[in-house]
Amino acid sequence: DIQMTQSPSSLSASVGDTVIITCQASQDISNSLNWYQQKVGKAPKLLIYDASNLETGVPSRFSGGGSGTDFAFIIRGLQPEDIATYYCQQYDNLPYTFGQGTNLQI
Amino acid sequence: QVQLQESGLGLVKPSETLSLTCIVSGGSISSYYWTWIRQPPGKGLEWIGYVYYNGSTKYNPSLKSRVTISVDVSKNHFSLKLSSVTAADTAVYYCARDADYGGIHFFDYWGQGTLVTVSS
Repeated sequence: DIQMTQSPSSLSASVGDTVIITCQASQDISNSLNWYQQKVGKAPKLLIYDASNLETGVPSRFSGGGSGTDFAFIIRGLQPEDIATYYCQQYDNLPYTFGQGTNLQI
Repeated sequence: QVQLQESGLGLVKPSETLSLTCIVSGGSISSYYWTWIRQPPGKGLEWIGYVYYNGSTKYNPSLKSRVTISVDVSKNHFSLKLSSVTAADTAVYYCARDADYGGIHFFDYWGQGTLVTVSS
């Protein structure tokens, strides 16, 4: 299985900050990476697909980049409603695997 | 707007079989992959497997010997069975649509999730 390692596991930031979460794959996965946001008690929500493509309806303050084994997820201008846990997920190989999550607090 | 809704028993005894169904509304079940994902309390997400609308399946090897996912196109729903459950199978179970656009896969629609507890 491809292991996905997110960093940091948790972080605290202030409204208006720029937040960066990284995700490292245990092998080359090209651009085959998605990012999800999960709020407490809710299902995950797709934010970014194929490493850098913004899902329809997702605010432009969210962005993603990277390829191969190293990826980044960025929130520019953090908002109170961005409190959530964020997960990366690879789809290059089955089984699909997720990072362990990054718990973002404000 | 596509909507997914899980249903099934919320309490299962150890060694028995967990059974869940996901009803898809607002869109056809055809031409997509349909997935089950679970999340133990306070932990991360685990992909269980998927079924294509034509009935072909892929499972996580960690669960493969115990998992069956099936689809009923006429009823627009798909199902999960997990046999010989233990307390380690206690989790929120999500159904989701796995959209495949030229090899780009992502989970774009999710059910609300249903908690299944394994306990005697």
